[in-house]
Amino acid sequence: DGGITQSPKYLFRKEGQNVTLSCEQNLNHDAMYWYRQDPGQGLRLIYYSQIVNDFQKGDIAEGYSVSREKKESFPLTVTSAQKNPTAFYLCASSIPYSGRARGNEQFFGPGTRLTVL
Amino acid sequence: GEDVEQSLFLSVREGDSSVINCTYTDSSSTYLYWYKQEPGAGLQLLTYIFSNMDMKQDQRLTVLLNKKDKHLSLRIADTQTGDSAIYFCAESITSASKIIFGSGTRLSIRP
Repeated sequence: DGGITQSPKYLFRKEGQNVTLSCEQNLNHDAMYWYRQDPGQGLRLIYYSQIVNDFQKGDIAEGYSVSREKKESFPLTVTSAQKNPTAFYLCASSIPYSGRARGNEQFFGPGTRLTVL
Repeated sequence: GEDVEQSLFLSVREGDSSVINCTYTDSSSTYLYWYKQEPGAGLQLLTYIFSNMDMKQDQRLTVLLNKKDKHLSLRIADTQTGDSAIYFCAESITSASKIIFGSGTRLSIRP
């Protein structure tokens, strides 16, 4: 079965610690995205990557870092510089450009809920 | 700048129709989407519409687009308890550009 997996489902972090959220996809998608979801605020784009070894900042990149060393993987690190990291984090990927008859359809993982203690 | 707005809550009786509304600001938007998020899960694309269309119907779902007013709506006919979720309106300018999401409308179903 193809899909996107995120781990862990729940994550607890002490203040001042860095933590890395995993996102893996076996859909052969080129583009991958990280979003942050807060209640009543919808999804905000943190970082995105259109191709391996390349990524761009989204709207709220401060305090976060990413890497894209493999097509299948796009891990997100929440650093201690992120002032309010408690949120639900969603990873997504897009189909290749040649198949985008449905616009930029994005496929989402199940999410990771991060809580800072 | 780009912005997508929708009301936060909607409550309907089981069996009635639900209408979720959305407004967007970017007149360059080419693709408009409705995503569904069930509790504790990721989003799933429900349906989409191109900006050169006025209406799209897919089983119980009807999408209406008023491009002049930049207004998008999603109608769910015969609403069921399984339709309880958060519904996100979203837009993108091209198939390659990033998607701008609204804040989501939480649909709850009354018996």
